[in-house]
Amino acid sequence: QKEVEQDPGPLSVPEGAIVSLNCTYSNSAFQYFMWYRQYSRKGPELLMYTYSSGNKEDGRFTAQVDKSSKYISLFIRDSQPSDSATYLCAMNTDSWGKFQFGAGTQVVVTP
Amino acid sequence: DGGITQSPKYLFRKEGQNVTLSCEQNLNHDAMYWYRQDPGQGLRLIYYSQIVNDFQKGDIAEGYSVSREKKESFPLTVTSAQKNPTAFYLCASKRTGSQETQYFGPGTRLLVL
Repeated sequence: QKEVEQDPGPLSVPEGAIVSLNCTYSNSAFQYFMWYRQYSRKGPELLMYTYSSGNKEDGRFTAQVDKSSKYISLFIRDSQPSDSATYLCAMNTDSWGKFQFGAGTQVVVTP
Repeated sequence: DGGITQSPKYLFRKEGQNVTLSCEQNLNHDAMYWYRQDPGQGLRLIYYSQIVNDFQKGDIAEGYSVSREKKESFPLTVTSAQKNPTAFYLCASKRTGSQETQYFGPGTRLLVL
């Protein structure tokens, strides 16, 4: 079993809809959680970074962490075609630890 | 501009050949990482280095080698022992000792002729 599970999709939504992405994990020691966006043939870019449980909002993006359920989510409001990309979740135990990545979810926003 | 650069963007390897992928950062980050990305799979860690002249194997180090002679540079060599080298290679860096995360370079796509 992988330490981090993420549905690969593709997830197709109409423009303006809310995109909901999630990852589950098995290691209860994870306390740093990240979401990256990766366009085709490009390097991942950091979208959201949260520590421990709770919510964090940045513009159209909201990240949620539920450590009791070992579940993290990313919501994208008012989705745009430019949001079409692969979204990777990542997490680690501390600033020195190795990062564990999900496989990535491909999102397609149709005009 | 501060950032991470990788070169070349595309690299072709012949059978039995060693090739080296370049990664340079001017972010003054201590830690640097090499990942391999295959379709449908998450990023897999090849090697990482938290300080100059020191590095550790990741989950899939066989067939790869690295060096860390300068803080800014962390080149990856794909040796002939790596039998399935075709993949997208990503370099990342981060500050250590703080609640920081990784930042990635643009990647190098390695193809076998």
